Amino acid sequence: SQQGEEDPQALSIQEGENATMNCSYKTSINNLQWYRQNSGRGLVHLILIRSNEREKHSGRLRVTLDTSKKSSSLLITASRAADTASYFCATDRTIQGAQKLVFGQGTRLTINP
Amino acid sequence: NAGVMQNPRHLVRRRGQEARLRCSPMKGHSHVYWYRQLPEEGLKFMVYLQKENIIDESGMPKERFSAEFPKEGPSILRIQQVVRGDSAAYFCASSPMDRAAFFGQGTRLTVV
Repeated sequence: SQQGEEDPQALSIQEGENATMNCSYKTSINNLQWYRQNSGRGLVHLILIRSNEREKHSGRLRVTLDTSKKSSSLLITASRAADTASYFCATDRTIQGAQKLVFGQGTRLTINP
Repeated sequence: NAGVMQNPRHLVRRRGQEARLRCSPMKGHSHVYWYRQLPEEGLKFMVYLQKENIIDESGMPKERFSAEFPKEGPSILRIQQVVRGDSAAYFCASSPMDRAAFFGQGTRLTVV
């Protein structure tokens, strides 16, 4: 089955609120990455958290990683209308010496003004 | 340092024609990945290449699809005898090993 399952599939909140998205995976990983995709555009890398890290911050973004539960969360604080996008987690694994990024289905985030 | 460049951005092909999608990785990146994204879905891994080598093509359909990353020039994803189901956005990403991947803007293929 697909590695990197995000939930919820869709999230709609008011501007200024915090948004939390979750990602679960099934196998061991090298690192986990979060990406944003605006409608019809390419993916923008947001943050990378390594398997030996538990939390990482970047501006209004906070990512946690729990390898025992094989899960990660992305928190966006004080959301803005410009944060409206789809957010994907991707697990980075090494399989037979080859690195592979495997994406989930994404969470579609809508920030209402 | 330009980002990952994909062209064309939009490609329309009739059923049965060939589609060639090009990807120039970021300078210094020797790892290239191709992904396909259907509408309202996530990205599905297709193939991972290093210069002149296909490392992992487990996500590539067995027929009609091929990819290459020559010593000189861009990586090419080639789809022969396209069908309507090939309509999707195709994204290329490049990275140095064990680092974040940088994505291009994608090529949106429409088969009519």
